[in-house]
Amino acid sequence: GAVVSQHPSRVICKSGTSVKIECRSLDFQATTMFWYRQFPKQSLMLMATSNEGSKATYEQGVEKDKFLINHASLTLSTLTVTSAHPEDSSFYICSALGAGGSYNEQFFGPGTRLTVL
Amino acid sequence: AQSVAQPEDQVNVAEGNPLTVKCTYSVSGNPYLFWYVQYPNRGLQFLLKYITGDNLVKGSYGFEAEFNKSQTSFHLKKPSALVSDSALYFCAVRATRGSSNTGKLIFGQGTTLQVKP
Repeated sequence: GAVVSQHPSRVICKSGTSVKIECRSLDFQATTMFWYRQFPKQSLMLMATSNEGSKATYEQGVEKDKFLINHASLTLSTLTVTSAHPEDSSFYICSALGAGGSYNEQFFGPGTRLTVL
Repeated sequence: AQSVAQPEDQVNVAEGNPLTVKCTYSVSGNPYLFWYVQYPNRGLQFLLKYITGDNLVKGSYGFEAEFNKSQTSFHLKKPSALVSDSALYFCAVRATRGSSNTGKLIFGQGTTLQVKP
């Protein structure tokens, strides 16, 4: 199957700083990527849909100015958590839509554990 | 409203016994259905999907799922469980093209499968 990587896998930062998380599709081009956050023992919550070359589409209740998404190429999307606070601590997971568009499955990255002190 | 329900928070089964993880859905139009598995601190791994065709879908690691339109269910099954199958399982659904949710997945709340030796 297609491979999606995330970097870093784990990050600890101080409150007020910004953190960038990268999501890469390694062996395929992804015009659409998704960003999720997951709290312990809970389901994935979709934050936004990232489309290459255009602005991301955010889900209701997600602050676009706080969670900046950039999808600058067909293999890379980045999520920047700006002015992070302890309540932003979570497991962030990205996914990329496989070839064939919306009829295909999403391929998920391994996730990034963010801890804000 | 579109939704996915996994009625069991946890399923316990003895190694070697058959397992079933339940999933029901509610969408308008024809559903595209997916099962994913998540191991601790990892992203989601694709197991199988139903788009069209045979109601019984075979997937990775010996898993299969049966699509039942009349019962709006897509239960995950395996004839003989392994201890290594212990993980968190998510059912997800995506509406057909034409919906505003292009490519998006709606996840169930997840079911923890515990296989005991």
